[in-house]
Amino acid sequence: GENVEQHPSTLSVQEGDSAVIKCTYSDSASNYFPWYKQELGKRPQLIIDIRSNVGEKKDQRIAVTLNKTAKHFSLHITETQPEDSAVYFCAAGGWGQGGKLIFGQGTELSVKP
Amino acid sequence: KAGVTQTPRYLIKTRGQQVTLSCSPISGHRSVSWYQQTPGQGLQFLFEYFSETQRNKGNFPGRFSGRQFSNSRSEMNVSTLELGDSALYLCASSWDSVNTEAFFGQGTRLTVV
Repeated sequence: GENVEQHPSTLSVQEGDSAVIKCTYSDSASNYFPWYKQELGKRPQLIIDIRSNVGEKKDQRIAVTLNKTAKHFSLHITETQPEDSAVYFCAAGGWGQGGKLIFGQGTELSVKP
Repeated sequence: KAGVTQTPRYLIKTRGQQVTLSCSPISGHRSVSWYQQTPGQGLQFLFEYFSETQRNKGNFPGRFSGRQFSNSRSEMNVSTLELGDSALYLCASSWDSVNTEAFFGQGTRLTVV
């Protein structure tokens, strides 16, 4: 069935370091890959997304890469700050799947000052 | 522009009862999806509605149902509540159901006792 695996489940970095979170999806029909950030007690918020016709996308300190052949996509956060501490979720969706997003299990990122 | 609004924010119900949750999407959005979030299972897709039609359904028992009205507002209903239904229920709205940014509401925290 459809599945998204996300690693690591927890990640602790020093302020200023980079953080990388990796996801693997199973459904080859997936072609939309959003990343959400969820702070404690708050709603998930989209931070960046990528579509299958693009291999990489950047937005300031955040970048996402996609390897469709390997069915891998990754989130890269550079120059991490304490306010980046949150749970990050990757997801996969696509044409024919309607609004259905399959989410990874989440990565709890802790940025230590 | 108002965001996605979910009501109520918190709910306590007894086993065997039923519950109805409401979601008002962002104005102009026609797609509403529902997700169940639990610490152990992460974010799991329940169903998605687009222009009053259920376009997709996740792997949940028939006790979970939903509907969408002509103004795109959506409700989900859970009948014969079980302890395991305790979770945060999130809805997300998007302009279209395919590969467009989904905005989440704050969620309804359901506790079944």
